[in-house]
Amino acid sequence: GEDVEQSLFLSVREGDSSVINCTYTDSSSTYLYWYKQEPGAGLQLLTYIFSNMDMKQDQRLTVLLNKKDKHLSLRIADTQTGDSAIYFCAENNFNKFYFGSGTKLNVKP
Amino acid sequence: DAGVIQSPRHEVTEMGQEVTLRCKPISGHDYLFWYRQTMMRGLELLIYFNNNVPIDDSGMPEDRFSAKMPNASFSTLKIQPSEPRDSAVYFCASTLKGVGNQPQHFGDGTRLSIL
Repeated sequence: GEDVEQSLFLSVREGDSSVINCTYTDSSSTYLYWYKQEPGAGLQLLTYIFSNMDMKQDQRLTVLLNKKDKHLSLRIADTQTGDSAIYFCAENNFNKFYFGSGTKLNVKP
Repeated sequence: DAGVIQSPRHEVTEMGQEVTLRCKPISGHDYLFWYRQTMMRGLELLIYFNNNVPIDDSGMPEDRFSAKMPNASFSTLKIQPSEPRDSAVYFCASTLKGVGNQPQHFGDGTRLSIL
């Protein structure tokens, strides 16, 4: 099956930028997503990018897509303690979603 | 609008008992997914339905697991008999059919502990 990989942990200081990286294998995926999971909750959609785009910005969030390298990143500007959570990237292929293992973001005050 | 609703939120039971997890998808959504999340394996897709019909159950770990969707607004995931290694958080998600940016909407999950 498809393989979506992420690093497991990221620690940043409050106010800094966070960059969470993801690699995927299926070049036919039409959409790629970023989800956020807070403790005790389900996954919440943060943002998504269509595969023919290179970048998408949504307030403090910037998504970069490098289709050639099959690399996706999520940048969070001015990271806050409330951003501490697990972030999942996912690809969508014919209505079947493949999720990465999640990156746990720790924001230090 | 109500999101995906799962029940119970927590379940603690002894091994060998039957466990039934329930899910109500968002009204109008055509696809329903069951996932299992553990520290060791992350988020695993167990099974998904389209218009109440199971499409892919290749992620169901063994015959002890079964899932049904008797109508568009209700699905169950059953484990019988349960084992300690089934302890995990089980999520249900639903989505609209078709191409386009149709993300999955997740419930808050059922935290299952098998003693």
